[in-house]
Amino acid sequence: QSALTQPRSVSGSPGQSVTISCTGTSSDVGNYNYVSWYQQHPGKTPKLMIYDVSRRPSGVPDRFSGSKSVNTASLTISGLQAEDEGDYYCCSYAGSYTLVFGGGTKLTVL
Amino acid sequence: QVTLKESGRALVKPTETLTLTCTFSGFSLSTSGMRVSWIRQPPGKALEWLARIDWEDDKYYSTSLKTRLTISKDTSKDQVFLTMTNMDPVDTATYYCARGYLYFDYWGQGTLVTVSS
Repeated sequence: QSALTQPRSVSGSPGQSVTISCTGTSSDVGNYNYVSWYQQHPGKTPKLMIYDVSRRPSGVPDRFSGSKSVNTASLTISGLQAEDEGDYYCCSYAGSYTLVFGGGTKLTVL
Repeated sequence: QVTLKESGRALVKPTETLTLTCTFSGFSLSTSGMRVSWIRQPPGKALEWLARIDWEDDKYYSTSLKTRLTISKDTSKDQVFLTMTNMDPVDTATYYCARGYLYFDYWGQGTLVTVSS
């Protein structure tokens, strides 16, 4: 299965909102509501931010939200903060008990 | 408190077989619904899902790597193992174990494996 497509980079100023897209196909993102998002700071372990398209784990600020339309999932971060800077990866169930990640997006807080 | 920790050789030669161990605590792989996956990340690159093992000992692999991977577990020791054969320099990566199947809520710190002669 091919990796999901994410923009290489996005940026925003503190307090603004940014959206990171994750485009797949009808075989993965479009066919299942099993999209998750991970935040990774340099040299650190990925952290689960969103699962099942739009659910937030306990402890994740409600500034983070997820959605999906057809074959594209999106992560929106509102009220951007300096600590949100890092890499973000989407992941989707791809059928046949396999998963596929996106290529990653570098978020810069200006 | 859930923790996972990967261990194994940091340097392997091309064509060798890599064996990694994931030692976890805070949950049991004998509990219904529990799963542990392996995920890797080459330096500066994206995450890649490799394999998963379930509490019932069902095993699933990445389509592109399944001929080279074997995942297994020792429930009594709270450990999961990953074997990857015929290592190549492109397999140089940080290898993570993580709890979960459709999403991963707890991750190990990762172990960097370098493939070089």
